[in-house]
Amino acid sequence: AQSVTQLGSHVSVSEGALVLLRCNYSSSVPPYLFWYVQYPNQGLQLLLKYTTGATLVKGINGFEAEFKKSETSFHLTKPSAHMSDAAEYFCAVSPTGAGNMLTFGGGTRLMVKP
Amino acid sequence: ETGVTQTPRHLVMGMTNKKSLKCEQHLGHNAMYWYKQSAKKPLELMFVYNFKEQTENNSVPSRFSPECPNSSHLFLHLHTLQPEDSALYLCASSQGTEQETQYFGPGTRLLVL
Repeated sequence: AQSVTQLGSHVSVSEGALVLLRCNYSSSVPPYLFWYVQYPNQGLQLLLKYTTGATLVKGINGFEAEFKKSETSFHLTKPSAHMSDAAEYFCAVSPTGAGNMLTFGGGTRLMVKP
Repeated sequence: ETGVTQTPRHLVMGMTNKKSLKCEQHLGHNAMYWYKQSAKKPLELMFVYNFKEQTENNSVPSRFSPECPNSSHLFLHLHTLQPEDSALYLCASSQGTEQETQYFGPGTRLLVL
């Protein structure tokens, strides 16, 4: 069974600082990988995803993530945090060849200090 | 309307009530999903429908009963719920393959008294 671990349920950064949200997965076969963001009182919105090809993936709002197979990781980064980035972020995996089911990590709440 | 809509947005019900949650997608997708989002727990996939057929039931108690009359509409019928069923229920849709993005609705916040 797949599992996803997001290290740090809460991360606090200052405005303008680097954002790094960690995601590790366990799977015998590299899955498809997703990052979603959830703003208060809203559903989840896709930030970016990795399916095949280039391992550095760029998403919306200046976020990017790098798939590292050897580390089974898919960490999310943004060079400079903005107040509007404050939200909850979810990493998710979808097994290859096994249907359209997402397994989510526990989420990381990002707080941005002025 | 665009995207994925859910009604109602908020629902309070007693343990003996029967209610239904509704989800509608306007994206032309052929797969729809119900998720449960509880405090301090990861999002849990409850049900998956592909082309109106249920393809996944993730060990969900029978007090939750899904219905998918067509590819655009998904319901979750609720009866004799427990207080621990209080949560945000999210609907999503996608084109159906494992690499496709799932698009989420805003959710229904359910409180069971």
